[in-house]
Amino acid sequence: EAGVAQSPRYKIIEKRQSVAFWCNPISGHATLYWYQQILGQGPKLLIQFQNNGVVDDSQLPKDRFSAERLKGVDSTLKIQPAKLEDSAVYLCASGVVLNTEAFFGQGTRLTVV
Amino acid sequence: KQEVTQIPAALSVPEGENLVLNCSFTDSAIYNLQWFRQDPGKGLTSLLLIQSSQREQTSGRLNASLDKSSGRSTLYIAASQPGDSATYLCAAFTGGGNKLTFGTGTQLKVEL
Repeated sequence: EAGVAQSPRYKIIEKRQSVAFWCNPISGHATLYWYQQILGQGPKLLIQFQNNGVVDDSQLPKDRFSAERLKGVDSTLKIQPAKLEDSAVYLCASGVVLNTEAFFGQGTRLTVV
Repeated sequence: KQEVTQIPAALSVPEGENLVLNCSFTDSAIYNLQWFRQDPGKGLTSLLLIQSSQREQTSGRLNASLDKSSGRSTLYIAASQPGDSATYLCAAFTGGGNKLTFGTGTQLKVEL
């Protein structure tokens, strides 16, 4: 069974530029999460989808971050414009439905300079 | 608001030792609790999922317990090996199962 796929693995951008991350969840998984993990901290939920609907985006900085999950499968997370404090690993995870075991991708390491 | 705490933040043990990692959560109305392993520069690998109706789960040398009433979970690692060196994270499903909240992790080093 293929795992959660994320791309790119690494990205370096200058502040005020924009960036996008892509996630392909495990086939058949209805729930998809985006997490931000700053060095030395636990992951923090940014947004959670159930199929193509948003379940929770209370911690998403909506003035600069946006995410979509078209057709309830792949998802993209965008940052525009990026700030230095956005430097982190962005993790995507999926689960069969809400409340079940979550499986994570390898993450995208973003460095904003 | 659920808060998850892991103590200690870092732990160093000699190879072969049995050890316990602790996870505490403030909202006992959790649905499930999941333990993960994270190697440097990598994503999270799921180790064990304990459902709210269960008290423990076992996988190989790993045993995780859950006590909802006291707001605690423990991960027991038997006969530790250098390959067990990693950061271990616990996460609780709360809020109707909608939200998966993570602790800050315990960084484990198993020395030869």
